[in-house]
Amino acid sequence: QMQLVESGGGVVQPGGSLRLSCAASGFTFSTYAMYWVRQAPGKGLEWVAFIRYDGGHDYSADSVKGRFTISRDNSRNTLYLQMNTLRAEDTAVYYCAKSSSGGSGFMDVWGNGTTVTVSS
Amino acid sequence: SYVLTQPPSVSVAPGKTARITCGGTNIGSQSVHWYQQKPGQAPVVVIYYDSDRPSGIPERFSGSKSGNTATLTISRVEAGDEADYYCQVWDNNNYRYVFGTGTKVTVL
Repeated sequence: QMQLVESGGGVVQPGGSLRLSCAASGFTFSTYAMYWVRQAPGKGLEWVAFIRYDGGHDYSADSVKGRFTISRDNSRNTLYLQMNTLRAEDTAVYYCAKSSSGGSGFMDVWGNGTTVTVSS
Repeated sequence: SYVLTQPPSVSVAPGKTARITCGGTNIGSQSVHWYQQKPGQAPVVVIYYDSDRPSGIPERFSGSKSGNTATLTISRVEAGDEADYYCQVWDNNNYRYVFGTGTKVTVL
């Protein structure tokens, strides 16, 4: 069955960095676009970043642009989110999600999330 | 910035129908997807491309769109439908994905 497993979350000080990973299995990772979505405590869902199946195009939310970078390694079936200059407002559960297509689509498979806490 | 507006909460008795709206400028020209999120769990898609239903999602869930409003309808509501629901679109003018503000469905 299709599965996504996030890792790399933790507690980090403001201004610090963290790299999240998302290991994919049960489908041909290299043919699907991927997303990162986050959810702050008690809040709604917020899209963070998107990357096309081949890594050729990527987009990110204004709230993280210039600080977060989405990437993928199709040889390792893994999606990444490099997070720099972290702020308190980046505290959230971070989910990776699979697109229904190689480009934009709906999010048809989600991981269980990894928690990032930015605090001094 | 593009905003998708949903009612914060909807309450419905078991066996009745719940309707959750999602309003946004030009939503009529965009594909709308709906996600269900139960407490402590990851979201699950329940409707995609306005009105398509994934396998495994009960027929009680349906989607529609009219003008600037999309609607998720849950018929014959059950206690297990209690969750937060989010609409979502791709804002192709600004190259970003947008989630609605979310609606908490409470089964009385």
